[in-house]
Amino acid sequence: LAKTTQPISMDSYEGQEVNITCSHNNIATNDYITWYQQFPSQGPRFIIQGYKTKVTNEVASLFIPADRKSSTLSLPRVSLSDTAVYYCLVAWFAGTASKLTFGTGTRLQVTL
Amino acid sequence: GAVVSQHPSWVICKSGTSVKIECRSLDFQATTMFWYRQFPKQSLMLMATSNEGSKATYEQGVEKDKFLINHASLTLSTLTVTSAHPEDSSFYICSARDRTGGSLRDTEAFFGQGTRLTVV
Repeated sequence: LAKTTQPISMDSYEGQEVNITCSHNNIATNDYITWYQQFPSQGPRFIIQGYKTKVTNEVASLFIPADRKSSTLSLPRVSLSDTAVYYCLVAWFAGTASKLTFGTGTRLQVTL
Repeated sequence: GAVVSQHPSWVICKSGTSVKIECRSLDFQATTMFWYRQFPKQSLMLMATSNEGSKATYEQGVEKDKFLINHASLTLSTLTVTSAHPEDSSFYICSARDRTGGSLRDTEAFFGQGTRLTVV
């Protein structure tokens, strides 16, 4: 399994763009990169997923360089409600033996 | 997106009793389910992986006789904490994957809302 490394915590002001980088040096060819958001006492919620280059949806963008050894989750114009823990997962989701293992995550605190 | 429902959302039980937590996939068939435990301010720790119709695979350090997992159908997995003790108090979360087909669902895992277990 590719191990992931993220900053433990980040602080931001409301309205700013936040970029959270995740390192996954041992990512395998079949692995996808997926980011989840978790609020206290709730299960993780899917944010975005990608394999390479750039992926964008209504809430975030995911940038993946050509070597795929890292990825950056970009949250545009964060609000107080974006205060949460963000997890980067790397896994071969379609593999029958693939386990979904969480790293430490990044605790994002958004203030006024 | 697909919905995974856990029940109950929270439970308080006496030390020495057993507690069952249900995890249901509401609109898809979950051939694989994962059970996690999360302590305050910590990340999710994978406890076990269960595949429908077969025995669960437990992570190292997780007692299979204490945390009984049953995945008897494609939409339901249960975690039973047997002879619960205060140290078992934690937030338990299940996750399910849809492996029966479809492009997006093959690459996504869906999580339940979690169950807060308090053993007194």
